[in-house]
Amino acid sequence: DAKTTQPNSMESNEEEPVHLPCNHSTISGTDYIHWYRQLPSQGPEYVIHGLTSNVNNRMASLAIAEDRKSSTLILHRATLRDAAVYYCILRDVEGYGGSQGNLIFGKGTKLSVKP
Amino acid sequence: NAGVTQTPKFQVLKTGQSMTLQCAQDMNHEYMSWYRQDPGMGLRLIHYSVGAGITDQGEVPNGYNVSRSTTEDFPLRLLSAAPSQTSVYFCASSYWGSDEKLFFGSGTQLSVL
Repeated sequence: DAKTTQPNSMESNEEEPVHLPCNHSTISGTDYIHWYRQLPSQGPEYVIHGLTSNVNNRMASLAIAEDRKSSTLILHRATLRDAAVYYCILRDVEGYGGSQGNLIFGKGTKLSVKP
Repeated sequence: NAGVTQTPKFQVLKTGQSMTLQCAQDMNHEYMSWYRQDPGMGLRLIHYSVGAGITDQGEVPNGYNVSRSTTEDFPLRLLSAAPSQTSVYFCASSYWGSDEKLFFGSGTQLSVL
């Protein structure tokens, strides 16, 4: 069963911030939250990941709820090049009952960016 | 570094033919996996490996075999291709750890007629 739930699609205007939500209500204490994105006709690429604290990198920010049952990927200024499918997954190789290598991606959120 | 290399990029098979999709990585990653992606769908895990000599099934393993004789290579075998296996196949690898990021290949587009 999928461990994360994401909206099927979202729209954004160019140069505006985008908040992509992900619910993971059954997350365990050792699950890391990872985000990947897939541009059209390409393989997925890593965006960001975190455990408990909010994280920032050059691509995006990750806001993690205090109870860790949800997270939000934030693109601060969407560009046309950010139009992609965004996947939120949980990765746990250490915890009891963790995903080990069985990483479930699901369908992700298709982000459209309007000029 | 080449990263994750998949070959071929495109392949057309007839029903019943066999073939092997190749995946190689040069990053000394312990973990490797195969996904398939059908039109408009997300990624579905076929098989994965956590090290040489160790493989396990994912969500959709039927019709596919894998082996991991070296750290670098993780081939995916279709023993008797079926039209339902028409898809884009992605290989991914990473170091073994919950906070390790996955690296993906560019994909193999397979059509089975």
